[in-house]
Amino acid sequence: AQTVTQSQPEMSVQEAETVTLSCTYDTSESDYYLFWYKQPPSRQMILVIRQEAYKQQNATENRFSVNFQKAAKSFSLKISDSQLGDAAMYFCAYNGAQKLVFGQGTRLTINP
Amino acid sequence: EAGVVQSPRYKIIEKKQPVAFWCNPISGHNTLYWYLQNLGQGPELLIRYENEEAVDDSQLPKDRFSAERLKGVDSTLKIQPAELGDSAVYLCASSSLTGGPAEQYFGPGTRLTVT
Repeated sequence: AQTVTQSQPEMSVQEAETVTLSCTYDTSESDYYLFWYKQPPSRQMILVIRQEAYKQQNATENRFSVNFQKAAKSFSLKISDSQLGDAAMYFCAYNGAQKLVFGQGTRLTINP
Repeated sequence: EAGVVQSPRYKIIEKKQPVAFWCNPISGHNTLYWYLQNLGQGPELLIRYENEEAVDDSQLPKDRFSAERLKGVDSTLKIQPAELGDSAVYLCASSSLTGGPAEQYFGPGTRLTVT
């Protein structure tokens, strides 16, 4: 079974600085997708960024980018120029055969 | 475009009582998911529907939980009887692509408290 591990329960960063959230996963599949979801205190989960495993190029969405290391089964999220609105729980998720498996989450605090 | 709608947003019940949650997915989304999210944890899949068919319900505790998706649109998740350990947030999500990984759109969730 696929598993997703986020080893940082909490992280904090100064506003305008850069922060990296870690994620590792375990799978025997060769074709899959990886996602980072953001869940603000209001609890509506929204997609931040996605990565297809067959693509070598790391995905980027504005201030959000990933470092995808397929051999190491690592998928970290980098947030540049952190803003107060980035404060939330961040979940790494794996999607293989239609089943989305989430990590435990990392709570990100932005210090003004 | 309206997002995934869930109701109620909050529910407080006594143990052994029944409870039901309702979800209306995004229009045109044929795949619907119910997730359980315990405090401080990531969501865990309870059941997935493709249209009106439950194609993955392996994590649904069938002794007390039931779900239905009539006409392949709205869905209801029921617990009967509720136990203290069922206190959690129940999330509904939907997606539009059958047969392959797709972005899931989540509703705001229903926070259940069992006393």
